[in-house]
Amino acid sequence: AQTVTQSQPEMSVQEAETVTLSCTYDTSENNYYLFWYKQPPSRQMILVIRQEAYKQQNATENRFSVNFQKAAKSFSLKISDSQLGDTAMYFCAFMIYGSARQLTFGSGTQLTVLP
Amino acid sequence: DTGVSQDPRHKITKRGQNVTFRCDPISEHNRLYWYRQTLGQGPEFLTYFQNEAQLEKSRLLSDRFSAERPKGSFSTLEIQRTEQGDSAMYLCASSLGIAPDTQYFGPGTRLTVL
Repeated sequence: AQTVTQSQPEMSVQEAETVTLSCTYDTSENNYYLFWYKQPPSRQMILVIRQEAYKQQNATENRFSVNFQKAAKSFSLKISDSQLGDTAMYFCAFMIYGSARQLTFGSGTQLTVLP
Repeated sequence: DTGVSQDPRHKITKRGQNVTFRCDPISEHNRLYWYRQTLGQGPEFLTYFQNEAQLEKSRLLSDRFSAERPKGSFSTLEIQRTEQGDSAMYLCASSLGIAPDTQYFGPGTRLTVL
């Protein structure tokens, strides 16, 4: 069975600073994808960034980037120039590219950006 | 593209009653997923459809739960004889069905069983 672990239940960062959220996963599969989703208070889950396991290059999306270490099964999210609107619960998720392709989520990290 | 929509957004019911939720996926998406999220936790997979076929169900989906997607478009999730432990956010997601097959989520239906 696949598991996803987010060891930081809560984090805070000053506006304009950089923060890194950690995520580790466990799988014996080779063909999989990793995602970071954000869930703002009382709002729906939004995709932040995704990474294909077969790609060595780390994904970036504007202020968001990942550090994907396949051998260590680690997938951290770095947020640069943090903004107040980044305040949200962040979930790391894993998907095996098989028939069902369901997402397995971690327990989340509540990020608060302080003014 | 109007995104994934869910109805109702909130439902309060008494223990033992039946409830039904609806999900409308993004129009060209042929895959539809249901997840359950309890407070402070990540979503957990319940079931998924490819077009109208329900192809996988989680062990979390007890006999009191049933899901349908009759015409391969919208889906319904029914819970019969609700229990207090069913209180959760029920999330629907849809995807295109081709790599990387990113799932896009709806706003969820928050169920409270009294």
